[in-house]
Amino acid sequence: DVKVTQSSRYLVKRTGEKVFLECVQDMDHENMFWYRQDPGLGLRLIYFSYDVKMKEKGDIPEGYSVSREKKERFSLILESASTNQTSMYLCASSGTNNEQYFGPGTRLTVT
Amino acid sequence: LAKTTQPISMDSYEGQEVNITCSHNNIATNDYITWYQQFPSQGPRFIIQGYKTKVTNEVASLFIPADRKSSTLSLPRVSLSDTAVYYCLVGSFYNQGGKLIFGQGTELSVKP
Repeated sequence: DVKVTQSSRYLVKRTGEKVFLECVQDMDHENMFWYRQDPGLGLRLIYFSYDVKMKEKGDIPEGYSVSREKKERFSLILESASTNQTSMYLCASSGTNNEQYFGPGTRLTVT
Repeated sequence: LAKTTQPISMDSYEGQEVNITCSHNNIATNDYITWYQQFPSQGPRFIIQGYKTKVTNEVASLFIPADRKSSTLSLPRVSLSDTAVYYCLVGSFYNQGGKLIFGQGTELSVKP
């Protein structure tokens, strides 16, 4: 059974802090994704990675960066957290069949 | 760039068939259509995927007309446990980045 885990379910940070969200998958998937989910807006792609050290911008990359040093791990970094980055963050992974497996999400609150 | 549009909400009763339609007028040649189900406090879960015509699996069917500008997720004989938000996703990440477009989701409420 595919498992995608995220480092925290809930996180509270202050404005200006650097925030790291970590995601780990155990299925040797090539592709990994970071989304944010907001009421009324659905899921929006922030970044994705199709290989180690490779990354592509999604629809809303501003204010975020990512790191993929190992195949199983994909990190989302908020360089300087702002209140408008308060959201649910979802990580996903997929192999070659386009089917994405999602983690449980991290609800981030920036105060 | 494909934009997906879905109804915001739908109501149904147990045992009925539910059809949820997604519009994606600007779908690209390489794009697939995928549907996900999401329960509260969980990540979305894959339901079904297709490229054209009809696809059926053990939980749903997906109908895609020849012009591929829309798709319909069909859930046969829904139960209370099918109450969830359903998302349509159009895209293929084998293209250059940023081409995965989720719809805003359809909140399905199944009543007894």
